[in-house]
Amino acid sequence: DTAVSQTPKYLVTQMGNDKSIKCEQNLGHDTMYWYKQDSKKFLKIMFSYNNKELIINETVPNRFSPKSPDKAHLNLHINSLELGDSAVYFCASSQTRDINYEQYFGPGTRLTVT
Amino acid sequence: AQKVTQAQTEISVVEKEDVTLDCVYETRDTTYYLFWYKQPPSGELVFLIRRNSFDEQNEISGRYSWNFQKSTSSFNFTITASQVVDSAVYFCALIFYGNNRLAFGKGNQVVVIP
Repeated sequence: DTAVSQTPKYLVTQMGNDKSIKCEQNLGHDTMYWYKQDSKKFLKIMFSYNNKELIINETVPNRFSPKSPDKAHLNLHINSLELGDSAVYFCASSQTRDINYEQYFGPGTRLTVT
Repeated sequence: AQKVTQAQTEISVVEKEDVTLDCVYETRDTTYYLFWYKQPPSGELVFLIRRNSFDEQNEISGRYSWNFQKSTSSFNFTITASQVVDSAVYFCALIFYGNNRLAFGKGNQVVVIP
């Protein structure tokens, strides 16, 4: 069974479109995250939710909006996509928001904006 | 601010050689955790190890070993008798109390040549 899953795995779309990426974890964790990995492989956190509450909101354009309907799901909606949004987006989860728990990552969603 | 530096970008080794990846970190906090993650060519991020700032005991797990030295702020990782399947990007990461943001280094690309 997949622990952290993301859909879709690949997403190709045109500039200006709106798209969503879904994430689900079946580990019983209460904290989830979104990370962005750019073309140089640099990973940076975007958002984090703990029990459906937003706890980390990095400097990200407000075209990006996370939504957590329950603690097992964290979705990422992106409006008015731009070329610079092309990247791999990783969802992750950890047991709690405490830093002593490792984060487990999903397989990533490769977003290509043309 | 916390910072993780992985100076080596790409390391090539011949199969069965050992390879050591350097990680140097900066943080003013006294309580923090360090991690190593592996990203194989398939793209997923795999958790390898976690160490807290109070546990300087080095560890060996199979062909992997870790050397944590608080005095030099280093958390190095060694693969012994490398195999082709070890070819991947390896990321060092840091998180500390009050921040809850996993800060990644830029990664080391390891290429194991058969």
